[in-house]
Parts: sequence; C-alpha cells; structure tokens
Amino acid sequence: GAVVSQHPSWVICKSGTSVKIECRSLDFQATTMFWYRQFPKQSLMLMATSNEGSKATYEQGVEKDKFLINHASLTLSTLTVTSAHPEDSSFYICSARGGTRSYEQYFGPGTRLTVT
Amino acid sequence: GEDVEQSLFLSVREGDSSVINCTYTDSSSTYLYWYKQEPGAGLQLLTYIFSNMDMKQDQRLTVLLNKKDKHLSLRIADTQTGDSAIYFCAQPSGGYNKLIFGAGTRLAVHP
Repeated sequence: GAVVSQHPSWVICKSGTSVKIECRSLDFQATTMFWYRQFPKQSLMLMATSNEGSKATYEQGVEKDKFLINHASLTLSTLTVTSAHPEDSSFYICSARGGTRSYEQYFGPGTRLTVT
Repeated sequence: GEDVEQSLFLSVREGDSSVINCTYTDSSSTYLYWYKQEPGAGLQLLTYIFSNMDMKQDQRLTVLLNKKDKHLSLRIADTQTGDSAIYFCAQPSGGYNKLIFGAGTRLAVHP
C-alpha cells in the first residue's frame, strides 16, 4: 500500500506556543488529505479536508483560526495548532487519498501533542 | 447524518475465528472499509469491499456485506496474538469521500 508519513511523531510544547505538524505522501500524489483528532480510547474525529491549492474545509465545531491547514503541494499538508492550550493535547492523524486508486485512503502514524 | 456503529469489545482465544460486526446508515456508499489500529499507531487499511459485492476474501480476512440490513462484518480466521488491536469500520461521505468511522472494536486475543 501507499505510505504516508507524519512529523514529528510526538511533541511537547508550552501553553501559548504554536506547533506545526507535517503530513507527507511518500510514493503517490495526494489530491486530498484529511486531518483527524483522536482522544484516548475513542474513535477518530475528522477536523478538516484539504485539497492541494485550495482552502481547507473544516468540520462543524473546529476552529479555523486555531487549527491552520495548508496543503501546499500534492505531497505535503501541514496542520498548525496556534496558541496551544492543554485541551489541545491529543493524537493527531492525517490521511491521504489520490493516485490510481483514489478510493483508498492511507493514514499516517500519528502525532502525539502534549501541551503543558 | 451518516452513522457507523460497532460493538466495543471482543475477546477470543488464539486460533479461533473472530467476527467483528458493523452497521452503517448510508446505503449509497460505494465502498466500505476496515482499518486496524495498534496502540500508539496510525490506522492500517486492512481491506475494503465494493457495494456491489456480498463477500470478499483476502487470506485470513473475510468481509461480508448485507446491503439490505446495512451490515458489514470482518472475520479473521485463526486469530493470533498479533491481531490484538482496535478495528474500525468506515464508510465514505460527501464529495471528497471523507471517512465516517465507527467507535472501534477492541479485539483481545488470549492463549
């Protein structure tokens, strides 16, 4: 299957600072990337959908100014958590879709964010 | 809106078969997916089934689809300890085919 990477795999930051998480599709061009958030022992909650070169579409209840998403190329999307607070601590997972089998969606390994 | 439901926990003995069940609401879904998540990791696409199929087999995995009842199941034959994980059922939704996930079924395999 296709490979999606995320960086960093974990990060600890202080309240009030911003954190950027990268999501890359390594061996295919991702026309669409998705960002999810997962709380402990819970399912994935979709935060936003991003398409290369256009603005992200956010799910209801997700603050656009808080979670900035940039899909600058067909292989890279970034999520920036701005002015992070402890309640933003979570496991963030990206996924990507594209290539010849666009109905398949591949997930990155996730980024664990801890805000102190 | 769309909804996907799964039982939360399943415990099986090593070597037995596991059956994980899922119900969904959107009958227009073209594909339905099964993902596996191990602790602290992302999701691994296990298999998927097209809506025009009733069954799909892939090595130890068998997916059954009952479109009338909107019921999807994943059978793992000869379950091993390495199969212990959380299994998510998912259906696509919307123009970009974003995935709607079930709550996940935690599979515990014991000797």
